[in-house]
Amino acid sequence: DTGVSQDPRHKITKRGQNVTFRCDPISEHNRLYWYRQTLGQGPEFLTYFQNEAQLEKSRLLSDRFSAERPKGSFSTLEIQRTEQGDSAMYLCASSLRPEGTPDTQYFGPGTRLTVL
Amino acid sequence: AQTVTQSQPEMSVQEAETVTLSCTYDTSESDYYLFWYKQPPSRQMILVIRQEAYKQQNATENRFSVNFQKAAKSFSLKISDSQLGDAAMYFCAYRTISNNDMRFGAGTRLTVKP
Repeated sequence: DTGVSQDPRHKITKRGQNVTFRCDPISEHNRLYWYRQTLGQGPEFLTYFQNEAQLEKSRLLSDRFSAERPKGSFSTLEIQRTEQGDSAMYLCASSLRPEGTPDTQYFGPGTRLTVL
Repeated sequence: AQTVTQSQPEMSVQEAETVTLSCTYDTSESDYYLFWYKQPPSRQMILVIRQEAYKQQNATENRFSVNFQKAAKSFSLKISDSQLGDAAMYFCAYRTISNNDMRFGAGTRLTVKP
């Protein structure tokens, strides 16, 4: 399967613990996005990478959140000192955008985080 | 700020019938992109259809078509000949040309009755 993959699919953690999620985009996709989706809502944009550069960050991305894409391939999203309000589905998407056209973002299956 | 509103939390349609899902958005931009995404239960989100705001012609993809009314800032999705596999959450989304902050509506849950 050459789609976007995310690991783990589910994570249960206790409040105050750190968690890290991984996203593997479609190979050769230069753009990678992280979103957060809470129950009954649409995804909310968190951050965006073009290759290894993090070009945009939402104000939703507090200082407890950090994302990296060190070699322009896979990406990690770390949440430090988790809070119950961090419980959500974390979605990753990737795209390859030819200049002058709207890119199609391909989404992964998501990582569902539950903070107890 | 750009916001996307989907006023129908739930819709249902009889198999083989046609259903229209509503979406409105707020923006001061003149050029932007609009999307409809489908999220089946426990499955990943996939793109259904997209529209560039500078194009007057409404986008179509097989049984899916949009009614894009730029002045009214309306972007509805019409599903013709509904199939059981169309049952899903449908999200309307907006993005400007210049940035990658895609804004989603809260979604419409579509049920297809056999």
